[in-house]
Amino acid sequence: DAGVIQSPRHEVTEMGQEVTLRCKPISGHNSLFWYRQTMMRGLELLIYFNNNVPIDDSGMPEDRFSAKMPNASFSTLKIQPSEPRDSAVYFCASSLLSGREAFFGQGTRLTVV
Amino acid sequence: GENVEQHPSTLSVQEGDSAVIKCTYSDSASNYFPWYKQELGKGPQLIIDIRSNVGEKKDQRIAVTLNKTAKHFSLHITETQPEDSAVYFCAASINSGGSNYKLTFGKGTLLTVNP
Repeated sequence: DAGVIQSPRHEVTEMGQEVTLRCKPISGHNSLFWYRQTMMRGLELLIYFNNNVPIDDSGMPEDRFSAKMPNASFSTLKIQPSEPRDSAVYFCASSLLSGREAFFGQGTRLTVV
Repeated sequence: GENVEQHPSTLSVQEGDSAVIKCTYSDSASNYFPWYKQELGKGPQLIIDIRSNVGEKKDQRIAVTLNKTAKHFSLHITETQPEDSAVYFCAASINSGGSNYKLTFGKGTLLTVNP
């Protein structure tokens, strides 16, 4: 398996633009997590899904952020409108619902200028 | 919610020495404590984990210890090698055997092993 696949790897956008980050979890995994990593706050869980259903989105910073999982093999994290403080590395991770290990993708480095 | 504190934030050791990273957690209901290693430009990768019914677990050069009473756990790396250089994260969660769980991470420790 290729592991968790995220795209794009790098994204530079202007303030106010819409940004969409994409994630393909490991086949067969039924839990999916979106994390944000910054120097100041470390790794923060934004939202997670079990069997494509959002379970906990309490980490989503504000209404500008939204996440969807239309099927078991694809998820998106959207920021609209983007702001400079959204600049961070965004990670997607997946796991088996009954498992413990979360497998992380390589991340998307987002820069909002 | 859960809060995980991790120390030190940076650690520099000589090759062959041991390295110890310590974490404390706040939620006494947490029962699963993984450690992740993150190399430059990559996502975190699980290296070892421990559940609350175990006090110590070892895998070759790495070991974890857990003190539930004090709510702290530690990562021990012996005979360090340059390839151990990375950022290490501890985490805690409530894992109820297949039910929903979410990890709360510490801020990370940058380990540098000097040849």
